[in-house]
Amino acid sequence: AQSVTQLDSHVSVSEGTPVLLRCNYSSSYSPSLFWYVQHPNKGLQLLLKYTSAATLVKGINGFEAEFKKSETSFHLTKPSAHMSDAAEYFCVVSGLSGGYNKLIFGAGTRLAVHP
Amino acid sequence: NAGVTQTPKFQVLKTGQSMTLQCAQDMNHEYMSWYRQDPGMGLRLIHYSVGAGITDQGEVPNGYNVSRSTTEDFPLRLLSAAPSQTSVYFCASKYVSGAQYNEQFFGPGTRLTVL
Repeated sequence: AQSVTQLDSHVSVSEGTPVLLRCNYSSSYSPSLFWYVQHPNKGLQLLLKYTSAATLVKGINGFEAEFKKSETSFHLTKPSAHMSDAAEYFCVVSGLSGGYNKLIFGAGTRLAVHP
Repeated sequence: NAGVTQTPKFQVLKTGQSMTLQCAQDMNHEYMSWYRQDPGMGLRLIHYSVGAGITDQGEVPNGYNVSRSTTEDFPLRLLSAAPSQTSVYFCASKYVSGAQYNEQFFGPGTRLTVL
């Protein structure tokens, strides 16, 4: 079975400082992993995805994530936070159930960015 | 391309009332799904479909029905609404081929309150 744990429910940073959102996963096989972002009262937008092609994945808006199999982690980073990055972020693992693919969501990390 | 659309955006129901949340996509995706989002719990899968005429239960199916008569539409029915169904509902779709790596596209959500 697959599962995902986001280690922080809230993260607060100052504008211009680095962002680190932590995610650990559990999977019985090589997983596909995603980060989605949800701005207030909006739907979800894909930031980036890991599909086993490269362990360092670059996404939109300057975000990137590194897949570390030995640590079962897929942490999301950005070198310099912008006010527009304030949102909720979801780490997601793609799992199999009943022969079909499903997404399993972490509980989310709310990122606050202060001036 | 409208992507994934959902109606209504907001709805208030009384306990015991029924209603249908509408979802449509114009990307010719085989896979469509419904999630509910509750604070601190991420998104949980209610029902999904891998094509017209094929539906299956997700993680939290009780109290909800679905059908898939066309590729484009995937309505979610609440037969007798309960306060526990107060939530934000998201519809999503994606291609089935290469399913594990495929991005799901999300609609803007329906905010439902059951009194």
